[in-house]
Amino acid sequence: EAGVAQSPRYKIIEKRQSVAFWCNPISGHATLYWYQQILGQGPKLLIQFQNNGVVDDSQLPKDRFSAERLKGVDSTLKIQPAKLEDSAVYLCASSLDGTGAVGYTFGSGTRLTVV
Amino acid sequence: AQSVTQLDSQVPVFEEAPVELRCNYSSSVSVYLFWYVQYPNQGLQLLLKYLSGSTLVESINGFEAEFNKSQTSFHLRKPSVHISDTAEYFCAVSDSGNKLTFGGGTRVLVKP
Repeated sequence: EAGVAQSPRYKIIEKRQSVAFWCNPISGHATLYWYQQILGQGPKLLIQFQNNGVVDDSQLPKDRFSAERLKGVDSTLKIQPAKLEDSAVYLCASSLDGTGAVGYTFGSGTRLTVV
Repeated sequence: AQSVTQLDSQVPVFEEAPVELRCNYSSSVSVYLFWYVQYPNQGLQLLLKYLSGSTLVESINGFEAEFNKSQTSFHLRKPSVHISDTAEYFCAVSDSGNKLTFGGGTRVLVKP
């Protein structure tokens, strides 16, 4: 089966600019996650979707970050305006039913550099 | 809220020597436990997981981890490492809310 697809692979922007990342999960996976991985740290959950509804966005900086999952399939994560501290790898993951029993599959990530 | 602590940020080890990566978690509910590996410039790959049953779980490439409920630990071990094991290793836990929480990672550097 195809894996979790993410694009772009790399992005460099200036601070205060906006940027968007795209994720296509594994077909049929109901749960989708966005994680932020800052260099030298473990991934931190930003938002979790179940189908097209938000389950958990408690750690999403809502003043600048937004995410949507239209039709319960693809998802986009947007940052507007970007700050220097947003430099990180943004990982998308999906799960068939949202439980660890089935497993989570991660994409290769988008590396964002804010200058 | 659940949390995961990886006690060592870096572990240098010589080739063919054993290695242990320590992981402790805190959660008030039953959890699933995972170890993920991230090779340089690659995404996260599942190494092994504990769901229930035997407390000792093994991966196909020689790693094993033991779930210790009383000590809330899930340490990862390998009796003999290879150069190709150089990577960053992340311990993670998910609870009934299906939220996967990661530790800070342990960077393993295997020296010849």
